[in-house]
Amino acid sequence: QVQLQESGPGLVKPSETLSLTCTVSGGSISYYYWSWIRQPPGQGLEWIGYIYNIGSTNYNPSLKSRVSISVDTSKNQFSLNVSSVTAADTAVYYCARADSSTWYSSDYWGRGTLVTVSS
Amino acid sequence: DIQMTQSPSSLSAFVGDRVTITCRASQSISSYLNWYQQKPGKAPKLLIYAASSLQSGVPSRFSGSGSGTDFTLTISSLQPEDFATYFCQHSYRAPYTFGQGTKVEIK
Repeated sequence: QVQLQESGPGLVKPSETLSLTCTVSGGSISYYYWSWIRQPPGQGLEWIGYIYNIGSTNYNPSLKSRVSISVDTSKNQFSLNVSSVTAADTAVYYCARADSSTWYSSDYWGRGTLVTVSS
Repeated sequence: DIQMTQSPSSLSAFVGDRVTITCRASQSISSYLNWYQQKPGKAPKLLIYAASSLQSGVPSRFSGSGSGTDFTLTISSLQPEDFATYFCQHSYRAPYTFGQGTKVEIK
C-alpha cells in the first residue's frame, strides 16, 4: 500500500523560504506524478504543482516565480520550496500522487502538515 | 487557467436522500474531471476520476456523469458517513484547479 508523509517546519517567518519533504513508502517514486496541494484554514484546495519523470515539473502560474519541486530518488522523497512567504502562504500542505491510469487524479495523499507564516 | 465552479456551495439533506452536486468548467475539459470527499481534519479522498469512473473501494452509491463543461456527482442514498465537503478538480492540463467545494450537512 502506497503511503505518503509530509515533514518540515510548522512555523516559517515572513520573507523566508518554506521547505517541506514528502516521503513515499510502498512504491517507487520513479514513476507517477508527484504533487503538492495546499489548503488555507477554512478554505478550498489550491494545486501548487507536480514533478514527474524524475525531474520534469509543472507549476501553478500564480506561484511559479516562488515555487520549486525536486525529487531525491535515493530516499524516495520529493520536496517543495516556496520562497518569500507571507501570511497568505499559511495553509495545510498536502503531498499527493497523480497517476496517468486514473486520468491524472490524485489517488494517494499524505495526511497534510500545517505551515504557519508568522514572525 | 481553467476555472471550476461548483454548486451549491452547501446543502442540507436527510439520511437516505438523493443528493446531486454540479461542477462547471470555464472551457471544455473532455472527461478529465475528478471528485474528492474531504472530512474535517483529513486529507481529500478520491471518489470519481475521468468524470464517471469509480475509484477502487468507493461505495457504488456514488456516481459521476458529464463531459465537456458540465459534470455531476450523485449520491443515490445519503449515509451518515457521507456528510463532508466535496470538491471537483479538472486534470485536463496544468494548473489542475479545484472547485470551491460543496459542504453536505445533516438536515
